[in-house]
This record gives sequence, structure tokens and C-alpha cells, in this order.
Amino acid sequence: DAKTTQPPSMDCAEGRAANLPCNHSTISGNEYVYWYRQIHSQGPQYIIHGLKNNETNEMASLIITEDRKSSTLILPHATLRDTAVYYCIVRRKASNDYKLSFGAGTTVTVRA
Amino acid sequence: SQTIHQWPATLVQPVGSPLSLECTVEGTSNPNLYWYRQAAGRGLQLLFYSVGIGQISSEVPQNLSASRPQDRQFILSSKKLLLSDSGFYLCAWRTGLAGTNEQFFGPGTRLTVL
Repeated sequence: DAKTTQPPSMDCAEGRAANLPCNHSTISGNEYVYWYRQIHSQGPQYIIHGLKNNETNEMASLIITEDRKSSTLILPHATLRDTAVYYCIVRRKASNDYKLSFGAGTTVTVRA
Repeated sequence: SQTIHQWPATLVQPVGSPLSLECTVEGTSNPNLYWYRQAAGRGLQLLFYSVGIGQISSEVPQNLSASRPQDRQFILSSKKLLLSDSGFYLCAWRTGLAGTNEQFFGPGTRLTVL
């Protein structure tokens, strides 16, 4: 699976949009981009995933560049409860034994 | 709806003692099951995964073992704990159907080996 690079940390103001970047320059054509987050002392929570089109759900939006070498997770209106470590993961389309590889992620701190 | 349970929530064990952590999933059948470990300040490391009863794949050599005695039960064990086994242990599941990608994580067990 392709490797991802994320900034180690970022701050965001409450109520503003949080834009979390991720580089995955070695991504191949059949690999998806997934985002999870982990609030302190809890298990990771799935946020969103995409292949090449932009995606949006009730939690976030995922913008993937045309060359697919990078993506941005957007939290449209950050709240204090969005403070967490956010993981960007690249993974092949699921086979029956699909696995996730979590890196260090980005520690996002939302400030009032 | 599906739920995943882990117990205990926290555990403090002496070096050399045995370990048994349990994970159960409700509301689904034939899930894929996973054990991860997270050391302090680190990312998650996949330890074991299982696609069916009695089927266990190990990702890294270590002091731990896993078993799946029932469809929705996944157990992580050790005969003799090491200090390096301390960490946050997470169980996860996903549906075994092809094309469904999300893994859902349990609340975790925080293990401290002294």
C-alpha cells in the first residue's frame, strides 16, 4: 500500500473549517484514500473514503486532487469535540482480508 | 445495529503473568475481526486478523496469540507478559462481504505491564 505523509499537528478555531492535508504521491490507480480519527483513549472512528471523485458525508468532505497524489479532509465547522488524531490511509479496494495501516496522523486541536 | 464490546477496559498485570482479552461483536455474522495495539504516542499496529472461525493470520512476530472460538468472538492471549506488551489494545470488525470497506473499532483495553 502507498505511504501517506501528514503534518504532525495543527490548530483550528472553533466554528471555522479545518483543512487537513495528506500527501500520497505513490498511490496507484486501484487504491482508495481513507480517513479515520481517534479521540483520546477511544478506538478510531471511520470518517470518509474516496477513490478519485470528491466525497461528502455528514461528518466531512474529502477533496482528492486530479492526479490523486494528495487529498484534503475538510471539517466544515469544527467543534471542540473534533479535537482528535486524524489518520489518512491509502488502501487497495477491499479484498476479504483487507487491513489498515495507521501512521502517526495529524493531531488536530480545536480551540474556542 | 452492530456493536462491538471489549473487556476489560483497563488491566494492570505483572511481568510473566498470563493475559486474556476478549472481543465480541453483535448484530452481524461472519465478520472479519482484527486486533491492533497502540503504544503510547504511536500509531496503531495490526497484530492479528481473522476471516472466519479458527482462521488466524499474524502480522508481526510477538509474544501474543489470538483465537476465534466462535463466529463473533476474538480473543487475544499471552502465556507470559513482557513489559513491552503494555499498550492500548483495540479490536475491530468489518463485514466479510466484498466491497464494504470500513472497519469499526471497539472501545479498547488499556494494558499496563509492571
